[in-house]
Amino acid sequence: EAGVAQSPRYKIIEKRQSVAFWCNPISGHATLYWYQQILGQGPKLLIQFQNNGVVDDSQLPKDRFSAERLKGVDSTLKIQPAKLEDSAVYLCASSLDGPRREGDTQYFGPGTRLTVL
Amino acid sequence: SQQGEEDPQALSIQEGENATMNCSYKTSINNLQWYRQNSGRGLVHLILIRSNEREKHSGRLRVTLDTSKKSSSLLITASRAADTASYFCATDDSGGYQKVTFGIGTKLQVIP
Repeated sequence: EAGVAQSPRYKIIEKRQSVAFWCNPISGHATLYWYQQILGQGPKLLIQFQNNGVVDDSQLPKDRFSAERLKGVDSTLKIQPAKLEDSAVYLCASSLDGPRREGDTQYFGPGTRLTVL
Repeated sequence: SQQGEEDPQALSIQEGENATMNCSYKTSINNLQWYRQNSGRGLVHLILIRSNEREKHSGRLRVTLDTSKKSSSLLITASRAADTASYFCATDDSGGYQKVTFGIGTKLQVIP
């Protein structure tokens, strides 16, 4: 079974530039998550989709971050414009059902390491 | 904000020893999960324990949950060098929908 795919794996940009990350979840998984993991910390949920609807985006800095999930499958996360504090690993995860199923295991992609100079 | 807090933040042991790490959380939960993260394999789910369970085993892993103290522990027995990683607890809160919140992690080093 193919896992969660993410690209690119690494990205270096200057502050105020824009950047986009792509995620392809495991086939058939209804729920998709984007996390931000700053060095030395645990992952912080940015946004959670179920199919193509947003379940939770309470911690997404909406003035600069946006995300979409087209046709309930692939997803992109965009930062525009980037700030120095956005340097982090951006993790995408998917789960089979999500919010209404107890104990749904999340499967994580390898992440995209973003460095903002 | 992060719900879970792992303790200790760093742990160094010899291969073959047991490693115990703890997680405390603040609000009522439906279940608690432990994940491992290392540079080679990314973030991987290890084990889930539901709020009505007290103990669960999976191979060399033993997880306990004390909902009265809002805490959980992860025991890795007979540790191996390959167990070197960061370990996170993640909780599903018991609100209207499940929101998984990760702690800050315990960094385990197993010395061969």
